[in-house]
Amino acid sequence: DAGVTQSPTHLIKTRGQQVTLRCSPKSGHDTVSWYQQALGQGPQFIFQYYEEEERQRGNFPDRFSGHQFPNYSSELNVNALLLGDSALYLCASSFTGLAGGNEQFFGPGTRLTVL
Amino acid sequence: DQQVKQNSPSLSVQEGRISILNCDYTNSMFDYFLWYKKYPAEGPTFLISISSIKDKNEDGRFTVFLNKSAKHLSLHIVPSQPGDSAVYFCAAIWQSGNTPLVFGKGTRLSVIA
Repeated sequence: DAGVTQSPTHLIKTRGQQVTLRCSPKSGHDTVSWYQQALGQGPQFIFQYYEEEERQRGNFPDRFSGHQFPNYSSELNVNALLLGDSALYLCASSFTGLAGGNEQFFGPGTRLTVL
Repeated sequence: DQQVKQNSPSLSVQEGRISILNCDYTNSMFDYFLWYKKYPAEGPTFLISISSIKDKNEDGRFTVFLNKSAKHLSLHIVPSQPGDSAVYFCAAIWQSGNTPLVFGKGTRLSVIA
């Protein structure tokens, strides 16, 4: 049973460019959350997708957008990249079921470097 | 304003001894707490959790204690092993299910053989 997978592993972009990161949730999971982890910080919540809609959003600008597909996989898009967007981007999946889905399973992350 | 705080960036413990990692929170709405472990180049891995209706939860070598009045929780690892060396994150949520995890900055644990 594959866990949460993310692609690519590493990415280097220049300021002003756009980037798309991808995530496939753990089998049986229907909810995907995205987090940004800057160096020396804990992961910061960006947004969460459920039933192909953005269900919750953290304190991130509109340059950050996302999408969830019918197979529950998800994309994170960042436009007009800034140097400060350099970070590890983590995807987490969970199941919005009777149990509430408190436990989120994380992927290995995508390391984005903006030059 | 940090709602979940891990005030010790690092901790060094000898193999076989107890490791105690601390976490404080400010938001009294939090009612479910989790600990994650993270190795380099990997995503955080769920370790143990506790609901606010309990004050202790144990799983093998790992025990989490919750003091609601002090808004404080701690993770105890006994005995500590070299493989426990990692960054440990404390996280909290509101118990409505699938709400965002709010993380602390993490504590790097080094277990010395």
